[in-house]
Amino acid sequence: KQEVTQIPAALSVPEGENLVLNCSFTDSAIYNLQWFRQDPGKGLTSLLLIQSSQREQTSGRLNASLDKSSGRSTLYIAASQPGDSATYLCAPCTGTASKLTFGTGTRLQVTL
Amino acid sequence: NAGVTQTPKFQVLKTGQSMTLQCAQDMNHEYMSWYRQDPGMGLRLIHYSVGAGITDQGEVPNGYNVSRSTTEDFPLRLLSAAPSQTSVYFCASSFQRNTEAFFGQGTRLTVV
Repeated sequence: KQEVTQIPAALSVPEGENLVLNCSFTDSAIYNLQWFRQDPGKGLTSLLLIQSSQREQTSGRLNASLDKSSGRSTLYIAASQPGDSATYLCAPCTGTASKLTFGTGTRLQVTL
Repeated sequence: NAGVTQTPKFQVLKTGQSMTLQCAQDMNHEYMSWYRQDPGMGLRLIHYSVGAGITDQGEVPNGYNVSRSTTEDFPLRLLSAAPSQTSVYFCASSFQRNTEAFFGQGTRLTVV
């Protein structure tokens, strides 16, 4: 059974800092891994999807890496802004159900 | 494009009542799924569909029914609501299985 752990659970940084969010998963037989952000009381917004054959994916100030064999992914956020404050979720996709398995996320606060 | 639309946004039910959570997408996606999100836990898959007329169970299907008569719609039915079904429900869709998932804004359900 796939299990996902995200570290740290919460993070507070001043505006402008670069930061790294970590995601580890137990089953390396994944099709892909997706990163989402969730604002309080809102739905999930897709940020990046990395295919199992890829090592990195970039979108603007976001860069996600994937090491499938070791069961790890990182989300790098450059030059953080207060608008980046949200909960970030990673979700590897596995199995015939194409099930996304979620951890409990990293709650990020970027302060002025 | 509206993307994935869920209705209602909020609902309060009494124990034993039934209701249907609506989910519609306008992206011509084949794959649709329902998740529930509970405090301190990651999102968990309830049911999914790989196309019109085809549905299957996810991780936590008990107490829920689904059907997929059209590509656009994937309603989730609670047969006899229980307090344990108090949760936030998210519908997601993707072009095919194992492709990028897009989520709706969620339905916050309280069963009293």
